[in-house]
Amino acid sequence: QQQVKQSPQSLIVQKGGISIINCAYENTAFDYFPWYQQFPGKGPALLIAIRPDVSEKKEGRFTISFNKSAKQFSLHIMDSQPGDSATYFCAASKETSGSRLTFGEGTQLTVNP
Amino acid sequence: DARVTQTPRHKVTEMGQEVTMRCQPILGHNTVFWYRQTMMQGLELLAYFRNRAPLDDSGMPKDRFSAEMPDATLATLKIQPSEPRDSAVYFCASGLRDRNDQPQHFGDGTRLSIL
Repeated sequence: QQQVKQSPQSLIVQKGGISIINCAYENTAFDYFPWYQQFPGKGPALLIAIRPDVSEKKEGRFTISFNKSAKQFSLHIMDSQPGDSATYFCAASKETSGSRLTFGEGTQLTVNP
Repeated sequence: DARVTQTPRHKVTEMGQEVTMRCQPILGHNTVFWYRQTMMQGLELLAYFRNRAPLDDSGMPKDRFSAEMPDATLATLKIQPSEPRDSAVYFCASGLRDRNDQPQHFGDGTRLSIL
């Protein structure tokens, strides 16, 4: 059973544009929602994370929007840059990082110069 | 800069051979995870340990896979016998179970090819 669904599968954005990736989850027990960024040949690296007690978290050009009632959360990348080209994974877990993560399918982002 | 170290980075071997992958978690982290990444299945959890004790290995084919933590600085994932369908990138991650949003840190993976 896929508990975290991610879309789109791939995304092409022009430099300076906004990239938006969406995720939906099923398990209401989830209470930690991180986004990971992965470059080819590397492991996923934490980008930004949110808990369900806030609706938005911003770090630099990256923002998570969280809708608890809809069980959805999204990643917004403002002023997208070619260096942002990577695969992005949303994830969810029941506790903090010390517990198992359930990952979405991943979104391959390409930012054209 | 603390990091998770995985060895080997690449492994090519023939079907039926034993494969051992190793992971050195970040010093002080008490939870270690093994994930497998494939194009078809994405990132899936195979097993994880807390304080060296296995907590969940339900994602692992137990007839051929085994995971252990001989000590706090080493986690191993073994496949015996290996099969072509085991070809994937295997990631180890470590974390610290607390309430301070400490992230899981991933290694750069072992890319395994079974011929």
